[in-house]
Amino acid sequence: TQLLEQSPQFLSIQEGENLTVYCNSSSVFSSLQWYRQEPGEGPVLLVTVVTGGEVKKLKRLTFQFGDARKDSSLHITAAQPGDTGLYLCAGCFTGNQFYFGTGTSLTVIP
Amino acid sequence: DAGITQSPRHKVTETGTPVTLRCHQTENHRYMYWYRQDPGHGLRLIHYSYGVKDTDKGEVSDGYSVSRSKTEDFLLTLESATSSQTSVYFCAISHGGAGGETQYFGPGTRLLVL
Repeated sequence: TQLLEQSPQFLSIQEGENLTVYCNSSSVFSSLQWYRQEPGEGPVLLVTVVTGGEVKKLKRLTFQFGDARKDSSLHITAAQPGDTGLYLCAGCFTGNQFYFGTGTSLTVIP
Repeated sequence: DAGITQSPRHKVTETGTPVTLRCHQTENHRYMYWYRQDPGHGLRLIHYSYGVKDTDKGEVSDGYSVSRSKTEDFLLTLESATSSQTSVYFCAISHGGAGGETQYFGPGTRLLVL
């Protein structure tokens, strides 16, 4: 049973388009993180959200934590080929255990 | 660069043999984790450590053991490797705290069990 469900699993878009990736759970997390992973490398943290309803922006990326702290979304504006990669969400309970979603593989076509 | 190294980076072994993977950190972080990554499953926690000689099981711990005799080293042992343990293994570290803490990942070890 997957604690965190990500959708879509695969996404292929043209450069310049916008996209949203979703991370959903029935569990309440103390914090939620988004990572980006490139082939052959480990995941790299993009953002951590802690407060319900929190919105964080990182250049063209906007992250939102749901009011109930059960879900999150990642929105990319005007996607570029450099955004290509595997995007992972991870929820943390108290006790420092992290649970990862299945990932969204994004391809941005020039 | 979070100062995490994993060794070996690639390994091919045969079913039934023991295998030990090493994670080394230079950051003096309290928490260390071992994950495996497989297509369709994302990253799944195998074991983690919250201090020297303090470890606990994750969601996929069967067939794996760990040891942490020093702050900087966390070893993962496959007691008798099986083909289902073919995977990419990642070590991660975090400073610890009441949520919101960052995990830093190592470069991964690709393990093939024949």
